[in-house]
This record gives sequence, structure tokens and C-alpha cells, in this order.
Amino acid sequence: QVQLVQSGAEVKKPGASVTISCTASGYTFSTFDIIWVRQATGQGLEWMGWMNPNSGNTGYAEKFQGRVTMTTATSMNTAYMQLNNLESEDTAVYFCARVWGGWYGDFWGQGTPVTVSS
Amino acid sequence: EVVLTQSPATLSLSPGERATLSCRASESVRTYLAWYQQKPGQAPRLLIYDASSRATGVPDRFSGSGSGTDFTLTISSLEPEDFALYYCQQRSGWPPRLTFGGGTKVEFK
Repeated sequence: QVQLVQSGAEVKKPGASVTISCTASGYTFSTFDIIWVRQATGQGLEWMGWMNPNSGNTGYAEKFQGRVTMTTATSMNTAYMQLNNLESEDTAVYFCARVWGGWYGDFWGQGTPVTVSS
Repeated sequence: EVVLTQSPATLSLSPGERATLSCRASESVRTYLAWYQQKPGQAPRLLIYDASSRATGVPDRFSGSGSGTDFTLTISSLEPEDFALYYCQQRSGWPPRLTFGGGTKVEFK
């Protein structure tokens, strides 16, 4: 069965970077794009960007341009999301999801909480 | 950027009642619209894609309709497990840009 398993919770200081991993199983990793979405406590879902594991192509939401990098290690069926220059407003749960059809997330990781605090 | 506006923010209903959730786009997204359900502490779950198609395993009490800028998610008869948050999501342009609506909470009356 399709599963996406994310790395564990992170606590970072302002100005630091965080890298979250998302390891896929149960399907051919290179044939589906991956999106990253975050959710601050009590808030809605916010799309951050996408990447194609086969080509390495990426597309980032304007808000995160210049601060986010999405990569993959296809041999390990793993996608990564790095967010730099963290601020307290980046405190959120970060999700990866497999993209299916008309760009919908059909399978999701369990979420990775990131806390940014001095 | 396409903005999705969901209404109402909160819907207070009882089990067995019908729920009607709205999602309005700031410009046409054709039928590139999905609905997700999210429960506390969980990841979103895809319910409806392409505006009106049910995802695998989704009960037929969930239905979606609409095209262009106005979309509706209907839950025909609420079950206790349906009380949750619901988000719409669209994709537009190429390369794709995705946005989510602000969500509707379906709560017990």
C-alpha cells in the first residue's frame, strides 16, 4: 500500500534552516510529483511548492521563493524540503503528499511539527 | 493567484442532517477543484477531485458539484465521523500553482 513517512519533529532557532524528509513506499516514486503543504496551529493549509522526482523540476509558491528548496534522492524514494532563515511564523506542521490526477494530494505523510523559538 | 473563499466558516448541524459547504474561486478554475477532510492531529484526506468525482473509498453520502468559480460539497446525511474540517483546493496555470480555501468546520449542534 502507498505510504509516505516523514521525519520527526524539529525545534529550531530563528535564522536557522530545517530539512524534512518524506520517504515513499508502495508505488514507483519517480512517476508522481510531490507537494509540500504546511499548517500553523489552528490555521488552514498553505501550499509551499512541488517537485518532480524524475526531472528534478520544481515550482515554489511566491511566498517561499528564495527560501525553500525541494529535492529528491530517487534511489532512496525520498523527497526533501529545506526551509531557510526560519522565523517564528514558520512554526507549523509540514506535510508532504503525492500528486495525483489534476494536481491533488491523494496520499499524505503524517506531518512533521517544526517549532521555531529562541 | 487564485483565491478560494469557503463559506460558512462553521456549520453547526446534528447527525442525520444535510451539510452544504461552498467554495468560491476568484477566477475560473474549470473543474480543477478538490475537497479534503481533516480531523484533529491528522493529515488531510482527499474526498472529491475534479469537482465531482469521489476518491477511492469515500462514502457516497459525499458529493461535489460546480465548475468555473462556484463549487459545493454536500454531505447528504451526516454521520458522527463526518464532523471535521473541510478544505477546497485548486490548481491553476503551468507550471501549476495550488491554493487552498480557508476551511469550513462542521461541528455538532
